[in-house]
Amino acid sequence: LAKTTQPISMDSYEGQEVNITCSHNNIATNDYITWYQQFPSQGPRFIIQGYKTKVTNEVASLFIPADRKSSTLSLPRVSLSDTAVYYCLVGDLMDTGRRALTFGSGTRLQVQP
Amino acid sequence: GAVVSQHPSWVICKSGTSVKIECRSLDFQATTMFWYRQFPKQSLMLMATSNEGSKATYEQGVEKDKFLINHASLTLSTLTVTSAHPEDSSFYICSASLGEIDEQFFGPGTRLTVL
Repeated sequence: LAKTTQPISMDSYEGQEVNITCSHNNIATNDYITWYQQFPSQGPRFIIQGYKTKVTNEVASLFIPADRKSSTLSLPRVSLSDTAVYYCLVGDLMDTGRRALTFGSGTRLQVQP
Repeated sequence: GAVVSQHPSWVICKSGTSVKIECRSLDFQATTMFWYRQFPKQSLMLMATSNEGSKATYEQGVEKDKFLINHASLTLSTLTVTSAHPEDSSFYICSASLGEIDEQFFGPGTRLTVL
């Protein structure tokens, strides 16, 4: 089973770029990597998804090296409202042929003024 | 983006009673819905995966007779916590997707407190 590892917490200041890395050493060949943001007492919100190299949307960039054993979520110029928990998600192809969904431990980002 | 709703948003019940939580995909048909549980300051843990019209697939350690899942239509899945006990108190979150590997759209969650 793919297992994800993330830093437990990170601190930043408003206006800075924040990079959060997730390790997934046993990711399957056809698995995508997805990042979600979660505020307290709310469901996770989709941020970005990628398979390899680099993906960019209006809120973040996702960098995936060639070996795909890790991925880095990059948040440009964070604001106080970006304070949240960030999860990376990869799919695990189980022996049954079904895909399991493994959330990482999550990284608690605290943005300060 | 796609919208998923949950009802109720919170519920308080007495020990021994059953609680039903609804998950609806409002603007798309969800082939697959997922149920998660999240304890304070912990990550989401997948409880079960349900496909419309078929039995749910439960994760290891999740009692299927205690957590009854029904996915009767492409827009509605229900989770019933039977004979709830205080240790079942948690944040229950559903998500919906077009298939098991597609992007998931999460509901706002339901806070269950069992007294």
